[in-house]
Amino acid sequence: AQKVTQAQTEISVVEKEDVTLDCVYETRDTTYYLFWYKQPPSGELVFLIRRNSFDEQNEISGRYSWNFQKSTSSFNFTITASQVVDSAVYFCALSEGWYTGNQFYFGTGTSLTVIP
Amino acid sequence: DGGITQSPKYLFRKEGQNVTLSCEQNLNHDAMYWYRQDPGQGLRLIYYSQIVNDFQKGDIAEGYSVSREKKESFPLTVTSAQKNPTAFYLCASQSGTGSGGASYNEQFFGPGTRLTVL
Repeated sequence: AQKVTQAQTEISVVEKEDVTLDCVYETRDTTYYLFWYKQPPSGELVFLIRRNSFDEQNEISGRYSWNFQKSTSSFNFTITASQVVDSAVYFCALSEGWYTGNQFYFGTGTSLTVIP
Repeated sequence: DGGITQSPKYLFRKEGQNVTLSCEQNLNHDAMYWYRQDPGQGLRLIYYSQIVNDFQKGDIAEGYSVSREKKESFPLTVTSAQKNPTAFYLCASQSGTGSGGASYNEQFFGPGTRLTVL
């Protein structure tokens, strides 16, 4: 079974629209970490944010915001007033436990296209 | 500047040949990883290493081999046993220190190598 599910394969929005990328995870660990990465057309993954399982506070960074809800095992990502530069593939990932080298479980990614 | 370098960026291989992808990091990170990405798919873990001279198989290790002789280097060899090697390969590293347990730390990624089998 998939540990991280990103049900939205592709999303297209018109510039300045808001868009939410969904991420649902599955784990039995009480200690875990969630991440979002951006993969622009160049291919290199860029780290955006991490959240640990003990901190359910939502976070806002400029036009980006993240909503972490343990009750629904979701860690959704919202881009406000989208821009063409936001066009990329976005990955959600899960890491369980405490130790370096634990496997990251990546979702299949959501390809976002922002139309000018 | 600290970071991860992968070379070459594009690689072409004839069927039946082994090929080695380079991954070097100067971030002093303990853990290193190799992922494979196919079009429209997520990242699948090939191998990972937590310390020098030690590595573990990931989900799709068959047809691949690695070595970790130095902390900063983690080369991946795609052997002729790999049936469908054409893909985008990403190397990553992760620090072993930090608050909240080491798994708290994000993985840093290299620019990737696109391998095509002719």
